[in-house]
Amino acid sequence: NAGVTQTPKFRVLKTGQSMTLLCAQDMNHEYMYWYRQDPGMGLRLIHYSVGEGTTAKGEVPDGYNVSRLKKQNFLLGLESAAPSQTSVYFCASSSTVETGNTIYFGEGSWLTVV
Amino acid sequence: AQTVTQSQPEMSVQEAETVTLSCTYDTSESDYYLFWYKQPPSRQMILVIRQEAYKQQNATENRFSVNFQKAAKSFSLKISDSQLGDAAMYFCAYRSVQGAQKLVFGQGTRLTINP
Repeated sequence: NAGVTQTPKFRVLKTGQSMTLLCAQDMNHEYMYWYRQDPGMGLRLIHYSVGEGTTAKGEVPDGYNVSRLKKQNFLLGLESAAPSQTSVYFCASSSTVETGNTIYFGEGSWLTVV
Repeated sequence: AQTVTQSQPEMSVQEAETVTLSCTYDTSESDYYLFWYKQPPSRQMILVIRQEAYKQQNATENRFSVNFQKAAKSFSLKISDSQLGDAAMYFCAYRSVQGAQKLVFGQGTRLTINP
């Protein structure tokens, strides 16, 4: 089982460049999330989606955009990268019907903005 | 909004000893889930243990157990017979059962195991 797959795993960007992180899940989950992890701050929610075609802002949405055109994919975009967006990004997904309320995480994407 | 606080940035324990990691949270909800996640250097997020708020019995998974005090909004993790492989960052997390069911994380505790 692939679970939650993030692409790319590593990327170095120059300030002002744009890029898209792709998250794909094969578990037919309704909910999908994008988090960023910075030293000493745990994981913070950037954007989330409760279903295909829907997105919403999380705790730290500025500088990011998202889209969920297909249920299995959740894209995170950086239109004009800034050094403050250097972080590790995690995608996660969960089901509304699965017992145990488990959230499944991808392996993370390391992004460096220079 | 819910918040989760881990007041111990770092902890250390001797191998085979017991260690307890602290977590407190703030919420006005009566039903929710609490989790402990382990994050080794690979950064993979590994679920350690889960607690449903409506259950009074503390969750246990092998050497890992929790002390869930709902009224005090406290959720500590006890690791018994600590092993070198337990060394990692540990995150406490809260998840609502309503709405988008977002996961809210604490700042993390770095656990070191001394041989």
